[in-house]
Amino acid sequence: TQLLEQSPQFLSIQEGENLTVYCNSSSVFSSLQWYRQEPGEGPVLLVTVVTGGEVKKLKRLTFQFGDARKDSSLHITAAQPGDTGLYLCAGVDRGSTLGRLYFGRGTQLTVWP
Amino acid sequence: DAGITQSPRYKITETGRQVTLMCHQTWSHSYMFWYRQDLGHGLRLIYYSAAADITDKGEVPDGYVVSRSKTENFPLTLESATRSQTSVYFCASRERPRGSQETQYFGPGTRLLVL
Repeated sequence: TQLLEQSPQFLSIQEGENLTVYCNSSSVFSSLQWYRQEPGEGPVLLVTVVTGGEVKKLKRLTFQFGDARKDSSLHITAAQPGDTGLYLCAGVDRGSTLGRLYFGRGTQLTVWP
Repeated sequence: DAGITQSPRYKITETGRQVTLMCHQTWSHSYMFWYRQDLGHGLRLIYYSAAADITDKGEVPDGYVVSRSKTENFPLTLESATRSQTSVYFCASRERPRGSQETQYFGPGTRLLVL
């Protein structure tokens, strides 16, 4: 059972376009993280959103946590080829001391020059 | 160099052989994790460790064994490799949770092919 569903699975766009990636769940998480993974490397944390309704900006990337803390979105403005990569969302479970991460399957983004 | 490293980066083995993947971190992080990444499944937790000599199962532990005799090392052993264990394996580490902003750091991965 996949706790987090990401959409779309693949996204191929031209440089300069805007895009939104969605991360949805029926479960409530204490926080949600977004990672980016480039070919041949491990995922790297981009941001953590904690409060329901929270919005965080990282240059051209805008992250939002849903009011009910079940879903999140990543919006990229004026995408560039350097944004190409696999974007992963991960819900943080505070039900245990581990704070385990539950990952979505990822969105593979390709930005063409 | 500081950080989290994995070895080997690439491994080809045969069905039934024992394989050990190594993970080393220089931050003295309490928590360490092993994930496998497969197309269509994303990252799935195999085993984790909260401290030296403390390990526990994750989502997909069958066929794997871990140990943690030292804080900085967390090897993953496939006791008798099967083709279904062909995957990319990632090790990760993190400090003990103190809030909600902890960063989990991933190694570069080991690409394992079981023939």
